[in-house]
Amino acid sequence: EDQVTQSPEALRLQEGESSSLNCSYTVSGLRGLFWYRQDPGKGPEFLFTLYSAGEEKEKERLKATLTKKESFLHITAPKPEDSATYLCAALPRNSGGGADGLTFGKGTHLIIQP
Amino acid sequence: DSGVTQTPKHLITATGQRVTLRCSPRSGDLSVYWYQQSLDQGLQFLIQYYNGEERAKGNILERFSAQQFPDLHSELNLSSLELGDSALYFCASSAGGLSTDTQYFGPGTRLTVL
Repeated sequence: EDQVTQSPEALRLQEGESSSLNCSYTVSGLRGLFWYRQDPGKGPEFLFTLYSAGEEKEKERLKATLTKKESFLHITAPKPEDSATYLCAALPRNSGGGADGLTFGKGTHLIIQP
Repeated sequence: DSGVTQTPKHLITATGQRVTLRCSPRSGDLSVYWYQQSLDQGLQFLIQYYNGEERAKGNILERFSAQQFPDLHSELNLSSLELGDSALYFCASSAGGLSTDTQYFGPGTRLTVL
């Protein structure tokens, strides 16, 4: 069964304190690994897509990396406005061809204290 | 703002009832996905439509059904509602039928079944 596990479940950091969020996946062939940010009561907001091991993408204070078994979301010198739940999602291979839905982890709830 | 719209924002109903949730995708997007988000299960993929036709099914109950209309908006119908159906329901859209296309999420409909 395809599975995505995120750790830690919750993380509290001081403003400026860098850290990393982990996303481990076991899927039947990975076609893409997605990171989203979700604020309370709102829809997930797209951040990054990674397609192959070794790939890295950056946006402001965030950098996403991908290996064959996991992905990391590195947050450098975070600010209070970076507080949110960060969701990781894997797109497994669909043996029947065609598209499929994302398999999401349960997220990391990140709090940045001023 | 992702460009995906969902109505209504909130819905309160009773067990045994039937409701319809509506989604309008981003302009030009052909694929629509439905997801359910509950506290214990996280985000779960329900179903995908591409240009009016069902493309993929996830963990969708038989009591639930969906369709995509010629103008590309989609509706998710939930019937014989149970307390456990209370959740946030999100619609997402993507440009084409490629599974690796980025999915952009709407603001969601919060369903409460009493």
